[in-house]
Amino acid sequence: TQLLEQSPQFLSIQEGENLTVYCNSSSVFSSLQWYRQEPGEGPVLLVTVVTGGEVKKLKRLTFQFGDARKDSSLHITAAQPGDTGLYLCAGGEGLFNKFYFGSGTKLNVKP
Amino acid sequence: NAGVTQTPKFRILKIGQSMTLQCTQDMNHNYMYWYRQDPGMGLKLIYYSVGAGITDKGEVPNGYNVSRSTTEDFPLRLELAAPSQTSVYFCASIGLDTQYFGPGTRLTVL
Repeated sequence: TQLLEQSPQFLSIQEGENLTVYCNSSSVFSSLQWYRQEPGEGPVLLVTVVTGGEVKKLKRLTFQFGDARKDSSLHITAAQPGDTGLYLCAGGEGLFNKFYFGSGTKLNVKP
Repeated sequence: NAGVTQTPKFRILKIGQSMTLQCTQDMNHNYMYWYRQDPGMGLKLIYYSVGAGITDKGEVPNGYNVSRSTTEDFPLRLELAAPSQTSVYFCASIGLDTQYFGPGTRLTVL
């Protein structure tokens, strides 16, 4: 079983602050995805990174894939209450796109 | 496109009962997946399918069965429900490297 560990588990910050969420594994993945999930809904894909060292930006969100393709980070600049949710990372492997999910980081951004 | 749809949204089962969770996608995707998500946790892969007639086990397949007779449908069958199967179940399909999730089925086994 592939194990993906996310940290921190919980994060409560004020609007306007910056934050970083980490996703670490001892396994190498062919791709790494980040999702955001709101209560009562399914996860929604934010980004996919596939190359070691790759950095992708999505407005105020910056995603990085580690050089060895074992870890990733998500940085949010100037967090807003609309960023509140559960952030999940998922490592992809194999020909059939099997994904292994981390346990998530629950983010609460207070106005 | 409706995307990925799941029924029912909620269900309460008694121990030992059986049920089928339905999943349909209208995007003509070959790859489909079933996950379960326990409270405060990430998703764990139960079964997946790479096309009609082809299925395989994921991380946590015990107590479940699947079939894939058409590209659109990928039902998940629970036989002899147990309290450990209380969870939220998500179906997903992949197209163009994007995994699309359904809204989930919240199952409670008492």
